[in-house]
Amino acid sequence: DQQVKQNSPSLSVQEGRISILNCDYTNSMFDYFLWYKKYPAEGPTFLISISSIKDKNEDGRFTVFLNKSAKHLSLHIVPSQPGDSAVYFCAASDRGGGNKLTFGTGTQLKVEL
Amino acid sequence: DVKVTQSSRYLVKRTGEKVFLECVQDMDHENMFWYRQDPGLGLRLIYFSYDVKMKEKGDIPEGYSVSREKKERFSLILESASTNQTSMYLCASSPFPIPLLKRQLISYEQYFGPGTRLTVT
Repeated sequence: DQQVKQNSPSLSVQEGRISILNCDYTNSMFDYFLWYKKYPAEGPTFLISISSIKDKNEDGRFTVFLNKSAKHLSLHIVPSQPGDSAVYFCAASDRGGGNKLTFGTGTQLKVEL
Repeated sequence: DVKVTQSSRYLVKRTGEKVFLECVQDMDHENMFWYRQDPGLGLRLIYFSYDVKMKEKGDIPEGYSVSREKKERFSLILESASTNQTSMYLCASSPFPIPLLKRQLISYEQYFGPGTRLTVT
């Protein structure tokens, strides 16, 4: 049972426009959420996170929004750049799980010139 | 700067071989994790460890075992490699969880190694 879902396997956006990546979760015990970025042949790198006590967190061009009632989070990248082309994974942690993360299936973002 | 290293970037093994994947972290992290990444399936947790000589099963432990004899090193073992274990293997580490009351104030970020692309023929 996939507790963290990324329903769009791929997304294509023009350079300079906004990229919106979505993530849904089913486990109401999740209280901390992270986004990772992964280039081919490299390990994932941390991008941005949000605690369940907040509904928005911003870091430069990256903003994560959390809607707890809908069990939905999204990552906004604006403006999108060609170097943002990568696979993006959302991940979630629950209160009783220590530092264990549950990852989504990933969304391949392609930013075109 | 956190560094997680994995012993090989690419590995080719034959069916039935015993395979060892090594992971070393230099940040004195208590937690270490092994994942595999497959297209359309994301990252799936195989095993993790909260301390030396301690291990816990993740979501897909079948066909794998682990060893953590030293804090900085976490090994993944494929007892008898099979073709369905062809995958990208990723190791990660993170510091120990903090008390519940302070939970909201820190990150639960995991730091990943570069990955090992294992092909079993």
